[in-house]
Amino acid sequence: GAGVSQSPSNKVTEKGKDVELRCDPISGHTALYWYRQSLGQGLEFLIYFQGNSAPDKSGLPSDRFSAERTGGSVSTLTIQRTQQEDSAVYLCASSLVADRPETQYFGPGTRLLVL
Amino acid sequence: GQQLNQSPQSMFIQEGEDVSMNCTSSSIFNTWLWYKQDPGEGPVLLIALYKAGELTSNGRLTAQFGITRKDSFLNISASIPSDVGIYFCAGSRGNKLVFGAGTILRVKS
Repeated sequence: GAGVSQSPSNKVTEKGKDVELRCDPISGHTALYWYRQSLGQGLEFLIYFQGNSAPDKSGLPSDRFSAERTGGSVSTLTIQRTQQEDSAVYLCASSLVADRPETQYFGPGTRLLVL
Repeated sequence: GQQLNQSPQSMFIQEGEDVSMNCTSSSIFNTWLWYKQDPGEGPVLLIALYKAGELTSNGRLTAQFGITRKDSFLNISASIPSDVGIYFCAGSRGNKLVFGAGTILRVKS
């Protein structure tokens, strides 16, 4: 596609439920990144993929968070047993190569609200 | 937590005024970046700075990378209503970006 797309654009869920967030990167981009943006805060790095492998998962806040990427393309971020503090905008970005993070293009984000 | 300190947190200025915001860090970054985020969108790169002391312009925007690689400023000249949004600084370290908390810019017509 023309840019990075994310779905759903908005998600409201109840505390304790699991959610899956999807990211479709720009075609041909080998690196994919997930960030979390809480209200009034900057972006917080969660995880990045080079191809299908995740060399850096250091930003995942707890073991309730996981992510996978298949076929070197689509990625899903899964949050299990959601908590109210998980409410945030989850942004995905992709870049042609991983060692040029300044070349990342961002998607519009998924706004998650945990009630 | 945030490793970049960005100020001011918000600004409310008259159309036509010049704007200045800055970012400082206790750590050195290889590359310094400035982004703008509009409501409901992801951040868009405005300017990338690669060399200490580098001064770069992009239209009405000017940014400089500090000599110590620990700070940067962004200037917007002759602000217009479409400049409203959130401006983020970010530093790159390896394959990751570290972001400041953002400066919210509001422009009065």
